[in-house]
Amino acid sequence: DGGITQSPKYLFRKEGQNVTLSCEQNLNHDAMYWYRQDPGQGLRLIYYSQIVNDFQKGDIAEGYSVSREKKESFPLTVTSAQKNPTAFYLCASSIAGQGAHEQYFGPGTRLTVT
Amino acid sequence: KQEVTQIPAALSVPEGENLVLNCSFTDSAIYNLQWFRQDPGKGLTSLLLIQSSQREQTSGRLNASLDKSSGRSTLYIAASQPGDSATYLCAVRGWDTNAGKSTFGDGTTLTVKP
Repeated sequence: DGGITQSPKYLFRKEGQNVTLSCEQNLNHDAMYWYRQDPGQGLRLIYYSQIVNDFQKGDIAEGYSVSREKKESFPLTVTSAQKNPTAFYLCASSIAGQGAHEQYFGPGTRLTVT
Repeated sequence: KQEVTQIPAALSVPEGENLVLNCSFTDSAIYNLQWFRQDPGKGLTSLLLIQSSQREQTSGRLNASLDKSSGRSTLYIAASQPGDSATYLCAVRGWDTNAGKSTFGDGTTLTVKP
């Protein structure tokens, strides 16, 4: 089945620790995105990548880092510099470039930092 | 900067009722508008994508319309069922980006009572 997988579903960390969230897709999409969702709110863009080895900051990139070494994978690291890391993190992918391309989402990772 | 608003934030209706969810956006220069469904603790499922050149899209009991000039979209759900209970989000992709980035509304949480 084609789709996007995120792991783990739930993640718990102590404050001050870095943590990496996994996102893998087998849709052959060039573009991938990371969003953050807080309770009762919409999604805010953290980072996005249109092609391997290239990525750009979104609206709330501070305290986060990403890499795009493979087309299928776009891991997100939540660093200790992120002041409020507890949230629901969603990964998405789409065809890159101009055009009315749908975004497809993974099931999400809920991160809790105490 | 594009802003997307969804009103109401929550809606409760009896089963069988037809209903309309609203999405408004401030910048009419858009590529497309996408409606999503989100179940509690889950990722987003794409419902309908309307390109900027289209006026509406239909899928089963769902019909989405787009009026760019007024900055509005509506999602019409016919003969609502308890299984339609979820949060519905709209996302707008603007012309100012070639990267497929979208701006999301905060969503409308729908409850359909049996």
